[in-house]
Amino acid sequence: DAGVIQSPRHEVTEMGQEVTLRCKPISGHNSLFWYRQTMMRGLELLIYFNNNVPIDDSGMPEDRFSAKMPNASFSTLKIQPSEPRDSAVYFCASRAGTNEKLFFGSGTQLSVL
Amino acid sequence: QKEVEQNSGPLSVPEGAIASLNCTYSDRGSQSFFWYRQYSGKSPELIMSIYSNGDKEDGRFTAQLNKASQYVSLLIRDSQPSDSATYLCAVKGGTGFQKLVFGTGTRLLVSP
Repeated sequence: DAGVIQSPRHEVTEMGQEVTLRCKPISGHNSLFWYRQTMMRGLELLIYFNNNVPIDDSGMPEDRFSAKMPNASFSTLKIQPSEPRDSAVYFCASRAGTNEKLFFGSGTQLSVL
Repeated sequence: QKEVEQNSGPLSVPEGAIASLNCTYSDRGSQSFFWYRQYSGKSPELIMSIYSNGDKEDGRFTAQLNKASQYVSLLIRDSQPSDSATYLCAVKGGTGFQKLVFGTGTRLLVSP
């Protein structure tokens, strides 16, 4: 299995632009998580999907952030408009059933100038 | 108070020594505890999980849990330079969906 696949690996954009991050979970995994990692705050959960349905989005910082999971094999995290404080590494992770083990993707390094 | 606290380090140990990494958490209802390892520029990977008080051993790794003290630790015996990484403590609450809360990690440096 290829693991959790994220794209792009790196994204550099200017403040105010729309950014879309993409994730393909491991086949058969029914839970998907979006995390953001910064030096100051560590890994923070943004949103969690179970069977393509958003279960907890309390970590989404504000309305500029939105996430979708149209099917079991694809999810997007969108930031519109982007701001410099959104600069971070964004990880997608998936897991199977109630198994506690999370499998992380390689992450997207986002830089908003 | 942060929900999961770790000393950021770096913790420096010589090759072959025991590395001791510590973590405290604030939610007394927490029931599941995890250690993830993250190499620089890479994604976190799970190395240990522990659910009950006491010790759990897996190869060179031992996780220790003390719920009364709200304390979790990870011991790495016979540390190797390849163990140099950031170690993230993660804690999960009780029943139903409880989000996994991560600490900011402790950076471990093992010198040859």
